[in-house]
Order: sequence, then C-alpha cells, then structure tokens
Amino acid sequence: ILNVEQSPQSLHVQEGDSTNFTCSFPSSNFYALHWYRWETAKSPEALFVMTLNGDEKKKGRISATLNTKEGYSYLYIKGSQPEDSATYLCALGQAGTALIFGKGTTLSVSS
Amino acid sequence: GAVVSQHPSWVICKSGTSVKIECRSLDFQATTMFWYRQFPKQSLMLMATSNEGSKATYEQGVEKDKFLINHASLTLSTLTVTSAHPEDSSFYICSALDRGSHGYTFGSGTRLTVV
Repeated sequence: ILNVEQSPQSLHVQEGDSTNFTCSFPSSNFYALHWYRWETAKSPEALFVMTLNGDEKKKGRISATLNTKEGYSYLYIKGSQPEDSATYLCALGQAGTALIFGKGTTLSVSS
Repeated sequence: GAVVSQHPSWVICKSGTSVKIECRSLDFQATTMFWYRQFPKQSLMLMATSNEGSKATYEQGVEKDKFLINHASLTLSTLTVTSAHPEDSSFYICSALDRGSHGYTFGSGTRLTVV
C-alpha cells in the first residue's frame, strides 16, 4: 500500500512570512505528484502536477519542487497572505487511476 | 475551468434511511468518477471507481451493497448510502477524470451525519 506523508500537520504564520511544507512518498514506480489547495466548503483546487525529477513549478507566490529519487516534494509560499489559509494536499497519481492522498497540511495566516 | 457540482453539501439523516449524493460534471465529460471519504484527521480514502456505463469497482473493505454507485451518463454519478448507520457519518467527495485533459476535478464534498 502506497503511503503519502505530509508534514507538518498544521502551522500558523504571520502575514508576510514565507513557509514551506513537505510531502514524502515511496520513490519506486513514481508516475506523478499532485498538489492541491483546499479551502473549507470548496472543491480542492489543483496547484501543480509534477512528473519529472528536479521539476520546479511556480504559480504566483507558490512554488513546488520534486525529487523522485529520494521521494519528496516541497511546496513553498512566499510572503504568506491571509487568503493563503487553507489545507494543502499532496497526492500520488498513476495514469487514469485514483489519486493517493496525504493527510494534508493546514496553514493559517494571521494578519 | 472544469467544474464538478456535488449535492448536497451536508445532510443529516436518521439511522436506517438512505441518502443519495450527486456529482455532475458541468462542462466536460467525466469518463471516470472516483468516490472518496474522509474521517477526522485522516486522508481522503478511495471508496470506489466508476466508469460510465459499467459497474463500479470497490476498494477492499467497502461494502458494495451499502454504497451503491451509479454512473449512467458521462456527466452524472451518484453514491447512495443505504440503511445508513452512525458509523457511516463521514465526509464524502467525488473526483471526475476529464477524458479530454486527463485532469482530476473535485466536487466540494458532502458532510453526512447519521443520527
């Protein structure tokens, strides 16, 4: 059974702080890693899909890196804003099959 | 972008009754729908996978006679929790696979409370 670990489980930062989360996964048979942003009562929003070792992707103040050889991905948020408060999920994917999720990291940003 | 509409967003039902949850893909054709549930402080766990026009495939430990899935069209899939019991209280969410983009689009989830 594939196991996706996310850390920390939760964190609280001040507006303007930069922060990062970790997603760890088995490095064998890697296909794709997905990052989602999930606000309460809304649908999870896709942030990134990463497939290649060394991939780096950026969307505004959010960026992510991928290391498939050692089995981890980092998500970075630069200059956190209150609207960044959400749960960030990472998930392993195979082509056309269901995603396998970690438990998520819940970020709270205070103004 | 692609949208999946999931209803209801929350429901309270009495023990022994059935509850139907709907997921509609609004602007794309969902070849495959995945149904997940999430217990407190746990990850989203796959319950079943349904392909349009086919019987659903259930994960180990998920009772197919209790969680009835219908995927009769490319835009609608339903999950019916039959004879619900308090232990079925959970958060249920669907995820559609877009045949065109191969991306996954999620509904907003349903919080089920069985009393």
